[in-house]
Amino acid sequence: DQQVKQNSPSLSVQEGRISILNCDYTNSMFDYFLWYKKYPAEGPTFLISISSIKDKNEDGRFTVFLNKSAKHLSLHIVPSQPGDSAVYFCALRGGTSYGKLTFGQGTILTVHP
Amino acid sequence: DAMVIQNPRYQVTQFGKPVTLSCSQTLNHNVMYWYQQKSSQAPKLLFHYYDKDFNNEADTPDNFQSRRPNTSFCFLDIRSPGLGDAAMYLCATSRGQGSTEAFFGQGTRLTVV
Repeated sequence: DQQVKQNSPSLSVQEGRISILNCDYTNSMFDYFLWYKKYPAEGPTFLISISSIKDKNEDGRFTVFLNKSAKHLSLHIVPSQPGDSAVYFCALRGGTSYGKLTFGQGTILTVHP
Repeated sequence: DAMVIQNPRYQVTQFGKPVTLSCSQTLNHNVMYWYQQKSSQAPKLLFHYYDKDFNNEADTPDNFQSRRPNTSFCFLDIRSPGLGDAAMYLCATSRGQGSTEAFFGQGTRLTVV
C-alpha cells in the first residue's frame, strides 16, 4: 500500500527550461510536504517545503505547489541548471509528534547543458 | 560541517554475520531515525528514537535492532544479515515536537556477500 507516489522515474530537461516534478498521495492526514534532493553517494538534503494550509511556497528558483483536493504536490525549478541534476524525493509528514516522513520513490532529474 | 555523520560509508559483511552501523549528530536533536533504501525505492522508516523512547515500525523485521546510548549516537544492529538486507541505510535527526524537516547523514551502503 503505497501512500506516496512519484510516477515519473526520470525526467530530462534542457538547461534554462522549467523542470516539473510531481508527487501524488492518498492519505489526507499528511500535514507537511517536503522535497529532498539527493546526489549519488550522499544523503538527501532538504530543499523546500509547504504546510497543508498553503498552496504555494517559493524559494528562489524553486516553487512547490500543493493541491489538497487532488492530493497532488509538485516542484517547479525555473530556470533549470545542470547542477540540479539529482534524484528528487517528495516526503510527507503525517502529523505525528516525532515528524515521521513517508517518501516517494524519487525522480531522477537530468538537466542537459 | 557535517551535522549527521554515518560510519562507515561502505560496509561489506558476510551472510549471517552480525553487523553494526553507526550514526552521530551534533545538532542535539531529540529524534533519531533509521531508514532503509533499496535501489530505486523510497526510503523506508525502520524505527526511531524520541529521546530514549524506542519506536519500531510495524513491519520492521526482528533481525533489525537499534541502540541509542546518548543523545548524540545511535546504532543500527543487523543480527543475521541476509542478501535481501543489502541497501543504503540512512540516519536522520529532527528536533521532535512540531518539527518539520529531517536532517540526513550521507548513508552507509551495506553489501552482503
